[in-house]
Amino acid sequence: EVQLVESGGGLVQPGGSLRLSCAASGFTFSSYAMSWVRQAPGKGLECVSAISGSGGTTYYADSVKGRFTISRDNSKNTLYLQMNSLRAEDTAVYYCPVVTGEGGDYWGQGTLVTVSS
Amino acid sequence: SYELTQPSSVSVSPGQTARITCSGDVLGKKYARWFQQKPGQAPVLVIYKDNERPSGIPERFSGSSSGTTVTLTISGAQVEDEADYYCYSAADNNLGVFGGGTKLTVL
Repeated sequence: EVQLVESGGGLVQPGGSLRLSCAASGFTFSSYAMSWVRQAPGKGLECVSAISGSGGTTYYADSVKGRFTISRDNSKNTLYLQMNSLRAEDTAVYYCPVVTGEGGDYWGQGTLVTVSS
Repeated sequence: SYELTQPSSVSVSPGQTARITCSGDVLGKKYARWFQQKPGQAPVLVIYKDNERPSGIPERFSGSSSGTTVTLTISGAQVEDEADYYCYSAADNNLGVFGGGTKLTVL
């Protein structure tokens, strides 16, 4: 059974940093690209960042480019998102979905990041 | 940048057919997926590759595509189908894009 467990969220002041983690199980982690998707309170879904299975290729939304860094440790089956220079508009629930094949689309329950003074 | 456009809301009575559209140039080149999201829950995939239904999704959910528009159809909508629905498509840079979401009301 595929499981994705996001953690690391919390309350942080503007300009601060957080590192999110996503622990994956139930599939061959290194074989699949992973991504981070966020949802601000009462708003829609936004793709924030993605990374290839090997970790060699990364992608970022313009809204986070230069501030966020996605990475993965395939030996630990874990995905990360280092978030620096946080802003109020980064407040959201962050998910780490994975697509493992046709119809195989899995999401965790997300972790809430609140940026506020 | 890629954009997907959805109506903000759709309303139907129970048993009626609900149709939610999603438009964007990328849909002429890439498949779409549809997600259902209920309050406080993570999104759930209901349609992939424009018109394929994952196992466990009721048959009343179907998808179609025409040009740069895809449509999610819920035939005989149930009260439990009331939710937000998002279309999604992968962009060439592998960072996909979601539509703005459609709130489906069934009452």
